[in-house]
Amino acid sequence: DTAVSQTPKYLVTQMGNDKSIKCEQNLGHDTMYWYKQDSKKFLKIMFSYNNKELIINETVPNRFSPKSPDKAHLNLHINSLELGDSAVYFCASSFAGTHGYTFGSGTRLTVV
Amino acid sequence: EDQVTQSPEALRLQEGESSSLNCSYTVSGLRGLFWYRQDPGKGPEFLFTLYSAGEEKEKERLKATLTKKESFLHITAPKPEDSATYLCAVQAGDSNYQLIWGAGTKLIIKP
Repeated sequence: DTAVSQTPKYLVTQMGNDKSIKCEQNLGHDTMYWYKQDSKKFLKIMFSYNNKELIINETVPNRFSPKSPDKAHLNLHINSLELGDSAVYFCASSFAGTHGYTFGSGTRLTVV
Repeated sequence: EDQVTQSPEALRLQEGESSSLNCSYTVSGLRGLFWYRQDPGKGPEFLFTLYSAGEEKEKERLKATLTKKESFLHITAPKPEDSATYLCAVQAGDSNYQLIWGAGTKLIIKP
């Protein structure tokens, strides 16, 4: 039943490790997003894919690499994790050009 | 620079005590303003879209209004289950996909 599902929900890892977060949506949307929510609760767009094509690539370190195998999936791989990467990462989806996004429940990443 | 500011940061109300949350924005041509609700440990949930000054949208105890400089989210006779963080976001005229988000107002309704 879950519309946008992210795994894992919690991720605790050491500095320097590589980790991935997976996202899947079953709403038939053609656009998916990765957002980062910092400790002050601001949501910042990181990436957006439309029909598997990258359309937004904000200024994020190139240690972050999104991959979209199909329009229902958008994964986020992070290399060489740093303390400052600790945050909640949200996946979202929508139809192109609309902003009634459906968000996943988030992945809380803690780098120690 | 495009900016969205929400106030207050936090608001505590008694059950049944009506109030309003504010979202002020400075953007180069507003294409849309969006309200979301976020519960602890969950992702934001879409509430409303407003496109032009004077527009209003309602859903249960919530009503969103829009002027050329700000939007208000009015909550009438709130219940404890309305407690959440309410987020405002705007789409500027020069962007097709990007939203600019405010930091949110944490609303607490005490029974």
